[in-house]
Amino acid sequence: NAGVMQNPRHLVRRRGQEARLRCSPMKGHSHVYWYRQLPEEGLKFMVYLQKENIIDESGMPKERFSAEFPKEGPSILRIQQVVRGDSAAYFCASSPRPGADEQYFGPGTRLTVT
Amino acid sequence: AQTVTQSQPEMSVQEAETVTLSCTYDTSESDYYLFWYKQPPSRQMILVIRQEAYKQQNATENRFSVNFQKAAKSFSLKISDSQLGDAAMYFCARLGSGGGSNYKLTFGKGTLLTVNP
Repeated sequence: NAGVMQNPRHLVRRRGQEARLRCSPMKGHSHVYWYRQLPEEGLKFMVYLQKENIIDESGMPKERFSAEFPKEGPSILRIQQVVRGDSAAYFCASSPRPGADEQYFGPGTRLTVT
Repeated sequence: AQTVTQSQPEMSVQEAETVTLSCTYDTSESDYYLFWYKQPPSRQMILVIRQEAYKQQNATENRFSVNFQKAAKSFSLKISDSQLGDAAMYFCARLGSGGGSNYKLTFGKGTLLTVNP
């Protein structure tokens, strides 16, 4: 059973460009969570999605950030008009049900904004 | 805000010795889960150990064990017989078990563990 997959692993964008981060949850998991890790910090919750639904986006910045988890295909975290402060590691996790006592993490995508 | 605090930014231990990493947390819930995650230089988040708050018995996984003090809201990780491969950043995290946000993991800032040969 493949684990949570994220791609790309590394992404470099110039200021003002768009970044698209992809996450494929574990097989059988329909709950996806995105976390952001700024340098020297722990992970912080951004958004929780189920298939075709955003359940909680309270951790997402109000502008430029959006997330989706379509019926088919991976979950996408999209950052428009990136700025240097968006440079971070973005982790996706999945679980088989909400409130499961374990979330399985992907390897993360490191975004660098130049 | 419900927080998780790791008061030791860095720790070091000699190979084969024992080290304890500290974690305290804040919560208004009576039931919840606590975790220790390991993050090596590869940045992959690896679950080390999990504790359910309603269980009195401290969790143990091979060389890793916890000291869970519910009343004090303390959750420390003990690594016995430390190995070079244990060197990593360790994060303490809490997950609520009920209410409206029982899916949000709240992480501490981490403790960087160095293992000296």
